[in-house]
Amino acid sequence: DQQVKQNSPSLSVQEGRISILNCDYTNSMFDYFLWYKKYPAEGPTFLISISSIKDKNEDGRFTVFLNKSAKHLSLHIVPSQPGDSAVYFCAATDADKLIFGTGTRLQVFP
Amino acid sequence: GAVVSQHPSRVICKSGTSVKIECRSLDFQATTMFWYRQFPKQSLMLMATSNEGSKATYEQGVEKDKFLINHASLTLSTLTVASAHPEDSSFYICSARVPGLSGEANYGYTFGSGTRLTVV
Repeated sequence: DQQVKQNSPSLSVQEGRISILNCDYTNSMFDYFLWYKKYPAEGPTFLISISSIKDKNEDGRFTVFLNKSAKHLSLHIVPSQPGDSAVYFCAATDADKLIFGTGTRLQVFP
Repeated sequence: GAVVSQHPSRVICKSGTSVKIECRSLDFQATTMFWYRQFPKQSLMLMATSNEGSKATYEQGVEKDKFLINHASLTLSTLTVASAHPEDSSFYICSARVPGLSGEANYGYTFGSGTRLTVV
């Protein structure tokens, strides 16, 4: 039972354009949502987070939007850069535990 | 910042042998650590929550007799894959939530660098 889902396994975006990565969840009790970037054979790297009481958080090129009624969040990266190419995971907190989504592979091409 | 050190980074073992993976908190005390497993092109699946001085809490479907977790001190948790088989080949990652950092942007969640286990 996957509580956090990323329905797009991959996304390809041209450099300079906006990348939008989506995430859906089923548990309305999740407190916080986090986005991570991950390369093969490495631990995840934290990008940005949002509390369940907010609907937007911005940090540089990264913005996360939360729609609680739809149980949906998205990560916007603008402008996208080739160095952003990686697998992105959304995650949600369940008490102390982090529940990860299924991941989206982002490829930014020149 | 808070660092979780995971060792080894990769290990190859023969089928039927046991492998131990260590996870250390370097500059903080971790009463709780988490162990994840990631198969290729799949999500990070939480396997168990490791509690210092007590038994680990395993997620549904995870064999506690195969994945032995010991959290004997506030800075060390170990995961032992007992009698490993090729299907146990995976990427294992530990994590901790750093006390006092829950107000930070990452809510204190810190990850090890992972261990690539290959069972041949």
